[in-house]
Order: sequence, then structure tokens, then C-alpha cells
Amino acid sequence: AQTVTQSQPEMSVQEAETVTLSCTYDTSESDYYLFWYKQPPSRQMILVIRQEAYKQQNATENRFSVNFQKAAKSFSLKISDSQLGDAAMYFCAYKWGGSEKLVFGKGTKLTVNP
Amino acid sequence: GAVVSQHPSRVICKSGTSVKIECRSLDFQATTMFWYRQFPKQSLMLMATSNEGSKATYEQGVEKDKFLINHASLTLSTLTVTSAHPEDSSFYICSASSRANTEAFFGQGTRLTVV
Repeated sequence: AQTVTQSQPEMSVQEAETVTLSCTYDTSESDYYLFWYKQPPSRQMILVIRQEAYKQQNATENRFSVNFQKAAKSFSLKISDSQLGDAAMYFCAYKWGGSEKLVFGKGTKLTVNP
Repeated sequence: GAVVSQHPSRVICKSGTSVKIECRSLDFQATTMFWYRQFPKQSLMLMATSNEGSKATYEQGVEKDKFLINHASLTLSTLTVTSAHPEDSSFYICSASSRANTEAFFGQGTRLTVV
């Protein structure tokens, strides 16, 4: 069974600094997708970034980038120039290419200190 | 991105009554919709997967007679919590996806309180 592990229940960062959230996953599939979702206090799930497993290049979306290490099954999220609005729960998620079902990690609560 | 609307955002109901939550994909046809339950400070727990025109597939431990799911069209799925009890109080979230999209789109969630 596919599993997603987020080993950091909580993280904090100073405003304008950089923080990295960790995620590892376990799968025997070769065709899959990885996602980072943000859940602010409103509880609306927002897609931050996604990575296709077949792509070697790490995905980037403005201040958000990932470090995708396929062999190590690692998918960390780097947030640069952290802003107060980045404070939220962050969930790493996996989806097999042959399914539409998402497997979520337990989440990391990010606090941004002014 | 695509828009998924979930309604109501909050509902309070009396113990023993039923409550229906709607999940609509506004600008795309959702072949599959998912229903999650989220306890405070925890991750999303998948309850069931519903495909348009067929019976929902429930995850282990989820009572299908308690949580009725209907996916009658490509844009609407409903979750009905029947004979609700205080322990059913939770945050329920739907998501919708289609084969054309690699990502799922989430509704705003529904906070259910059973008194």
C-alpha cells in the first residue's frame, strides 16, 4: 500500500526566511504524482505545487519549490521569503497514475513569526 | 483552477435527524468525487469514493447506511448523514476530479455540529 509520511508535526520560521517541509512516500508504482496542499485556518484546501514522477526537473511556483528525489522517495517543499499568510497546515499527497485517489500525509503545521 | 462548491459551510442539527451536504463542480464534469472527514488537527480521512451513476465505494470502517452518498450527475454529489449523533460532529470535505486533470479540487468544507 502507498503511504505518505510527514515527520515534522510542527515547524516555525521567521518572516522573510526560508523553511523546508519534509515528506517521504512509499510506492512500487512508476507512474504517479505528488502534491503539496495548504490548509489555512479557513480550512479550504489549496494546491501549492505538484510534481509528475516522470519529470526530473523540480517543480517551482513562485516562492514555492520542491526537492524531488525519486530514488530516495523524498518530496520536500521549500518556502522562500516566508510571509505571514503562509501560516497553515501543509499536507503532502500522493496519487497513483491509474487512480484518482489521493493519499495524504498527517500534515505539518507551519507558524510564521513576524 | 476549477471550482468546487460545497454547501452548507456550517450546519447544526438535532440528534436523530439527517443532514445533507452538497458538492458541486461548477465548471467541469467530475467523473469522481471524494468525501473526507477531518478531525481537529488531523489529516483528511477518506470516507468514500463516488463515481457518477454508480454506487459509492466506502473505506473500511465507514458505515454506508449512516453516510449515504449519491452521485447522480457529473456535477453533483451529496453526502447524507442519517440519524446523526454528537459523535458525527466533524468537518466534512469533498473533492472532485476528472480524467482530464491530474489534481483534485476541493470544496470549502462543511462543519457539522450535532446537538
